[in-house]
Amino acid sequence: KNEVEQSPQNLTAQEGEFITINCSYSVGISALHWLQQHPGGGIVSLFMLSSGKKKHGRLIATINIQEKHSSLHITASHPRDSAVYICAPSGAGSYQLTFGKGTKLSVIP
Amino acid sequence: GAVVSQHPSRVICKSGTSVKIECRSLDFQATTMFWYRQFPKQSLMLMATSNEGSKATYEQGVEKDKFLINHASLTLSTLTVTSAHPEDSSFYICSASRGPNQPQHFGDGTRLSIL
Repeated sequence: KNEVEQSPQNLTAQEGEFITINCSYSVGISALHWLQQHPGGGIVSLFMLSSGKKKHGRLIATINIQEKHSSLHITASHPRDSAVYICAPSGAGSYQLTFGKGTKLSVIP
Repeated sequence: GAVVSQHPSRVICKSGTSVKIECRSLDFQATTMFWYRQFPKQSLMLMATSNEGSKATYEQGVEKDKFLINHASLTLSTLTVTSAHPEDSSFYICSASRGPNQPQHFGDGTRLSIL
């Protein structure tokens, strides 16, 4: 079973700050997903990555397969970024995701 | 692209009622759909994996006779909570994927409240 640890659990930032959320996992994976869950419950898939780095707008995700670690960065944070961010690795050839407990981000104007 | 529609978004009903939740992939064919349940302030928990045209695979501890899953086409899966009781009140969310090692696309979820 893959153990997934996210840090921090809660994060409050001022608008404009650079945000980093970290994720560590215990078992080798084929890919790792970063998800965003809004207060209403809906979930958006932000990234799926298996190596290196991906960028989409103000969001950047990196992964180090050897160290079993991934980070999600948000540049120039905005109140609309307030949500729970969830790290979810998937095993080789597997659909199934293992979910971290999430990081609740609050960006204050 | 890759839109998943889940309906209804909220259900409030009496104990003993059966509730059907639909999950549709609108612009792609989903070989596999997943059903999750999330209790307040907890992680998503996988209930079952649904493959088109075959029986769903349920996670340990999930009663298959209580949570009926039908995946009749590549774009539609349904979850029916039979004879729902207050302890079934939760947030249910589906996701759909084109295949292994492909992103999962999530519906907006269904908040189920059983009185």
